[in-house]
Amino acid sequence: QMQLVESGGGLVKPGGSLRLSCAASGFSFSDYYMTWIRQAPGKGLEWVSYISNRDNIIYYADSVKGRFTISRDNAKKSLYLQMNSLRADDTAMYYCARRVDAIHTWFDPWGQGTLVTVSS
Amino acid sequence: DIQMTQSPSSLSASVGDRVTITCRASQSISNSLNWYQQKPGKAPSLLIYAASSLQSGVPSRFSGSGSGTDFTLNISSLQPEDFATYYCQQSYTALLYTFGQGTKLEI
Repeated sequence: QMQLVESGGGLVKPGGSLRLSCAASGFSFSDYYMTWIRQAPGKGLEWVSYISNRDNIIYYADSVKGRFTISRDNAKKSLYLQMNSLRADDTAMYYCARRVDAIHTWFDPWGQGTLVTVSS
Repeated sequence: DIQMTQSPSSLSASVGDRVTITCRASQSISNSLNWYQQKPGKAPSLLIYAASSLQSGVPSRFSGSGSGTDFTLNISSLQPEDFATYYCQQSYTALLYTFGQGTKLEI
């Protein structure tokens, strides 16, 4: 059974940093692009970043470019998101998801999410 | 950026009803459109990919259609477990995936 489990969320002050992790199981992690998607409280979904299976292709949403860094460790079957210079509008549930590419692209499965709260 | 607009934003329906949710793209996205269901306090889960392909394990009462700019998600006979928020998402542009704002389906 495919599973993604995020961790690392918490309360951080504006300007602070946090590192999120996502542990994968049940599929060949090194074969797939992976992505982070976030959801502010009571709001919709916002794609944040993705990384190719060999980590040579990385893209970020403009809202996090220059502040967030996505990475992965295929040996550990883990995805990471280093978040620096955090702002109040980064407060959200952060989900990791597998990107499936088969002519078309979709996200499946998703992890249960980890909550990041940026507040003084 | 490709904007995705869902309608309605919220919808009240009853068990057994047939429901249609629409999603419109700001430019043609072929059939690069996915639908997700999110129940309260849970992560989204994939329902439909490539506009009309049903994800494995999803009940057949869910169906998707459309291409170009206009898409629909249909639920043929609402069940109690279907009350949730539904999101469309375009995968036409790999550099910026965008979601619709969501449609909350309430009893």
